[in-house]
Amino acid sequence: NAGVTQTPKFRILKIGQSMTLQCTQDMNHNYMYWYRQDPGMGLKLIYYSVGAGITDKGEVPNGYNVSRSTTEDFPLRLELAAPSQTSVYFCASSYDGGKDTQYFGPGTRLTVL
Amino acid sequence: AQKVTQAQTEISVVEKEDVTLDCVYETRDTTYYLFWYKQPPSGELVFLIRRNSFDEQNEISGRYSWNFQKSTSSFNFTITASQVVDSAVYFCALSEESGGSYIPTFGRGTSLIVHP
Repeated sequence: NAGVTQTPKFRILKIGQSMTLQCTQDMNHNYMYWYRQDPGMGLKLIYYSVGAGITDKGEVPNGYNVSRSTTEDFPLRLELAAPSQTSVYFCASSYDGGKDTQYFGPGTRLTVL
Repeated sequence: AQKVTQAQTEISVVEKEDVTLDCVYETRDTTYYLFWYKQPPSGELVFLIRRNSFDEQNEISGRYSWNFQKSTSSFNFTITASQVVDSAVYFCALSEESGGSYIPTFGRGTSLIVHP
């Protein structure tokens, strides 16, 4: 099993550009999450999904969108990138939601200039 | 107010010293879950332990041990005889119910540096 995979690993965007961060898991987990990690701030939840077709906002959803058309994939869309979105983004999945261990992808380092 | 407080931003020790990382949480729920994750310099996040609110037994896994005390809302992590490979950022997380789902909240992390 590959676990949770994320692409790309690194990306530099110009202000106002858009992009999609890809996340795929092969563990048949229903629950998936997107976090951002800023230095010294821990992980902040952006969006989460409890199953295909169901998504909900986390603590810091502004400037992002998600979709969940399949169990495996949970892409994160950034529209109109801003410097404040410079961060490391982690995708995670779990079998039993927040009660359970989360399995994290390797992260995407995004810089917005 | 933070739901998960890791007051120690950075701890520096010399190899073979014991070190305790503090985690204090805040919740009104009776059912919740606590976690510790490790983030080594390579950047990935690795699960260490999970505890539910009804299980106050302390746990030991090799050089790692965890002390869960509901009376003080703390879930502290101790590394005995620290090694250079323990150098990492350690995150404590609390998961409590919100809108029918359990939502994790992470602390800001404690950076542990173990010097040879």
